Amino acid sequence: AQSVAQPEDQVNVAEGNPLTVKCTYSVSGNPYLFWYVQYPNRGLQFLLKYITGDNLVKGSYGFEAEFNKSQTSFHLKKPSALVSDSALYFCAVRDTGGGNKLTFGTGTQLKVEL
Amino acid sequence: GAGVSQSPSNKVTEKGKDVELRCDPISGHTALYWYRQSLGQGLEFLIYFQGNSAPDKSGLPSDRFSAERTGGSVSTLTIQRTQQEDSAVYLCASSSFNGARETQYFGPGTRLLVL
Repeated sequence: AQSVAQPEDQVNVAEGNPLTVKCTYSVSGNPYLFWYVQYPNRGLQFLLKYITGDNLVKGSYGFEAEFNKSQTSFHLKKPSALVSDSALYFCAVRDTGGGNKLTFGTGTQLKVEL
Repeated sequence: GAGVSQSPSNKVTEKGKDVELRCDPISGHTALYWYRQSLGQGLEFLIYFQGNSAPDKSGLPSDRFSAERTGGSVSTLTIQRTQQEDSAVYLCASSSFNGARETQYFGPGTRLLVL
């Protein structure tokens, strides 16, 4: 079985400061990892994914995430947060041996304040 | 190009009524997924279609839920005899082919409220 944990329901950060949204996962095989963002009353927008290769993945809007196999983590990061980054962020995992469905975390609400 | 579209955007119904939710995937995408997002919850997988293969229905919560995909394109999710606990946002996603590496692209969702 595959699972994802996002330990923080909410993260608050000041504009201009670095942000981190945490994600840990559990799979039986090798993971494919994804981050999505959801703005109010909107669907999910794809940010980035880790499939293989370089552990640091760069994505849309200046976001990046680092795959850490030993810690089974895939934290989302951005060097300098913007107020417009305020949204709900979801981490998701797909087990390479577990079919095609994505298993999502419960989401982390990011609030960036002036 | 056009993304995944869903209709209606909002649906209010009375307990016990049937509802149909529609999804138009991105043109050329062969894989289509339905998820449910309940208040305060993450996304819950419901069903997956790939080409002409039998769908993966493992996530459907009860036999009141069913889905079909006609002509390998448009999909309809049907909920019979709706219950209040069915209130949620129903999201559809599509991807280019049946590969675990492929990114799923989501529609805006249908917000269902069962009174």
